[in-house]
Amino acid sequence: DVKVTQSSRYLVKRTGEKVFLECVQDMDHENMFWYRQDPGLGLRLIYFSYDVKMKEKGDIPEGYSVSREKKERFSLILESASTNQTSMYLCASRQTGLHQPQHFGDGTRLSIL
Amino acid sequence: DAKTTQPPSMDCAEGRAANLPCNHSTISGNEYVYWYRQIHSQGPQYIIHGLKNNETNEMASLIITEDRKSSTLILPHATLRDTAVYYCIVTRGGGADGLTFGKGTHLIIQP
Repeated sequence: DVKVTQSSRYLVKRTGEKVFLECVQDMDHENMFWYRQDPGLGLRLIYFSYDVKMKEKGDIPEGYSVSREKKERFSLILESASTNQTSMYLCASRQTGLHQPQHFGDGTRLSIL
Repeated sequence: DAKTTQPPSMDCAEGRAANLPCNHSTISGNEYVYWYRQIHSQGPQYIIHGLKNNETNEMASLIITEDRKSSTLILPHATLRDTAVYYCIVTRGGGADGLTFGKGTHLIIQP
């Protein structure tokens, strides 16, 4: 079974802090993704990566950056956290290839105070 | 990606088959239908996908109409653990550029 592990289930940070969310997958998947999920807005794509060292902006990249130095790890960085970044953050991975599904971690619930 | 329409909520008795409909009338020929579900406080879980033939796996069956404008996800013997939000997604490449989730159907399994 595919395992996507997010480093924390719950995280509390302060406004202005630099925040790192980590995601690791164990299936040698090339593609990795970061979403956020908010009530009434559903899941929205922040950034994704086709492979190591590659990154692409999703629908809402503002205020975020990412890092993919190793194939199994995809980090989401909040450069200067703000209260409107309080959300559930979900990481996913998928194997390259047409019609391969995405596999998700259990999410990190981040609160910015 | 084609737009999908799902009922906002459904109930089903435990042990019965749960049939979740999805309308995707603007689907194009090379788009697949994917189903995911999200149990409370967990990440979305992939269930099944298909193009035009019916598909079955250990979790569910997917029935796609001949004109491909709608589909039904079938959970053959629903249990309380199947209570979740179910998302129907139509996409060409499986989500290589990310997936667009709608509001889904909140399925409640009643004891």
